[in-house]
Amino acid sequence: GAVVSQHPSWVICKSGTSVKIECRSLDFQATTMFWYRQFPKQSLMLMATSNEGSKATYEQGVEKDKFLINHASLTLSTLTVTSAHPEDSSFYICSARESWNEQFFGPGTRLTVL
Amino acid sequence: AQKVTQAQTEISVVEKEDVTLDCVYETRDTTYYLFWYKQPPSGELVFLIRRNSFDEQNEISGRYSWNFQKSTSSFNFTITASQVVDSAVYFCALSEAGGGSNYKLTFGKGTLLTVNP
Repeated sequence: GAVVSQHPSWVICKSGTSVKIECRSLDFQATTMFWYRQFPKQSLMLMATSNEGSKATYEQGVEKDKFLINHASLTLSTLTVTSAHPEDSSFYICSARESWNEQFFGPGTRLTVL
Repeated sequence: AQKVTQAQTEISVVEKEDVTLDCVYETRDTTYYLFWYKQPPSGELVFLIRRNSFDEQNEISGRYSWNFQKSTSSFNFTITASQVVDSAVYFCALSEAGGGSNYKLTFGKGTLLTVNP
């Protein structure tokens, strides 16, 4: 099956710093990539949808300037949490869609902001 | 707007019991897709099944079975003879049919299943 990787798997940073999370589709080209956030004991909430070469579409309530998404190639999307604060601590999950309606999920990145 | 409701927040069973996880959805689309995912403590989502809105046949895969009832907008998931390894959070999800939607998923809140030995 298709494999999606995320890097790093976990990160701890100081408040005010920026953190970049990478999402890669390893054996297929992803038409679309999605970024989700999951707080403890809660569901996955879609943050944004990105298509290669175009600007990401953010869900209502998600700050574009805070969560920068770059989808530079068909196999790589990055999420940068800028000026991170403790309330940004969460589990961030990406998924990648090939051509059909199936999303392949990455293993997630646990972000802790001190 | 789409909505997925998993009314059972937590379920606890004893090993070998059968358990059914409920999922009710709302959508205005006539073509849509329903999914179930398992999320073990490690956090990685495991895909279990995808069903399109035109296929109401029930499906069985080993100890897992799914009951899709369009008339009641439900897509329930049954685990037969549960095992401790089935302990996880299970999410039901719905996606639109495409076009400008990019097939984005709407997740339910999840059901935490604990199977005790």
